[in-house]
Amino acid sequence: TQLLEQSPQFLSIQEGENLTVYCNSSSVFSSLQWYRQEPGEGPVLLVTVVTGGEVKKLKRLTFQFGDARKDSSLHITAAQPGDTGLYLCAGDRNNFNKFYFGSGTKLNVKP
Amino acid sequence: DTGVSQDPRHKITKRGQNVTFRCDPISEHNRLYWYRQTLGQGPEFLTYFQNEAQLEKSRLLSDRFSAERPKGSFSTLEIQRTEQGDSAMYLCASSFQGTGNTIYFGEGSWLTVV
Repeated sequence: TQLLEQSPQFLSIQEGENLTVYCNSSSVFSSLQWYRQEPGEGPVLLVTVVTGGEVKKLKRLTFQFGDARKDSSLHITAAQPGDTGLYLCAGDRNNFNKFYFGSGTKLNVKP
Repeated sequence: DTGVSQDPRHKITKRGQNVTFRCDPISEHNRLYWYRQTLGQGPEFLTYFQNEAQLEKSRLLSDRFSAERPKGSFSTLEIQRTEQGDSAMYLCASSFQGTGNTIYFGEGSWLTVV
């Protein structure tokens, strides 16, 4: 059983649509990170959230950390083909910088 | 380029052979991590170092796997007597303890065991 469950696993949408990806756990995390990974490459950090209820925006991407610090969401507005990739959430439980990863959401944005 | 670098990027080896991967972390980072990732899955934690000390090892790291960080800078991950199930991407990451909860990944080393 994974500590972090991501949903959906796969998402295929048209350019211009909005989408939300979820990352859920029964455990509390001291921080949570979102990464984007392209095939054959390492994950690239998008954002770190540390405070319950925190909302961060990165251009068309909005990240939210749940009030109880057990879950997070990533919302993309007006998706573009360049957003295609594997989106991973990762949580640090005890400030030990040891991150547990979800299995990822594979996003495909069709032009 | 001052990011995390890994070498080699790709390795094809025959079953039973030994392989070694190297990771050079971001220079001021004192923590270094190894993860393994198979197709369709998120990275799985293998081990991490603080300076030269190996602080934790996952049970995924069988006795055929050994990791070192002799001088607290670069690290090596060796797999002995490789098996087909070892085929995966091996990711290295680094962080600096105390500057927030952020780790940075290298581009990974792909291993194919044939």
